[in-house]
Amino acid sequence: QVQLQESGPGLVKPSETLSLTCTVSGGSISSYYWSWIRQPPGKGLEWMGYIYYSGSTKYNPSLKSRVTISVDTSKNQFSLKLSSVTAADTAVYYCARDGGSGSPDWYFDLWGRGTLVTVSS
Amino acid sequence: QSVLTQPPSASGTPGQRVTISCSGGSSNIGSNTVNWYQQLPGTAPKLLIYRNNLRPSGVPDRFSGSKSATSASLAISGLQSEDEADYYCATWDDSLNGQGVFGGGTKLTVL
Repeated sequence: QVQLQESGPGLVKPSETLSLTCTVSGGSISSYYWSWIRQPPGKGLEWMGYIYYSGSTKYNPSLKSRVTISVDTSKNQFSLKLSSVTAADTAVYYCARDGGSGSPDWYFDLWGRGTLVTVSS
Repeated sequence: QSVLTQPPSASGTPGQRVTISCSGGSSNIGSNTVNWYQQLPGTAPKLLIYRNNLRPSGVPDRFSGSKSATSASLAISGLQSEDEADYYCATWDDSLNGQGVFGGGTKLTVL
């Protein structure tokens, strides 16, 4: 079955750029929308943005100036970059698949296990 | 401050029926379908209800969703101890060129 796995540094310094990759295994990245969602410790979920396998993107307006999501179909991966991070960006970062094939349906039927990223010097 | 409003906590005894509400506005719940997620401690969220009232394969029919105007509800009947978790509603918001929004979450305690 299709599985998602986040990877990347668990510690990032303030003002630097957070970079994470989500690898899709057991299925193709094509024909679906893929999102990044984060959850600060003890708090709720925040949608960060999505990308279609073709490369089209949409971002959360509150993060738009700092976030970039890209896709590498040859590796079946998509990635997140968040610039100028602060302690407020400390969170568990999840990658997830939108269940709508070909168009976003805004429900996430597959999730990665999440990776904790701490912003600290 | 979440765009979607959920009660921070809910509780019930085994076998009871509990409901969790999610209140929004015309640009989100009023215009789009609502989805619900269950998050057990230390795990990733799991899709529980999608498109207002549909259950993914494997989700017991004890879980049901509904939507009316700018509000939605998740109902859990025959409450079980393993239902103790955080529950989140989510939808799309058409304002600000569109964005995904989640409720603040409801922690369900099985007494």
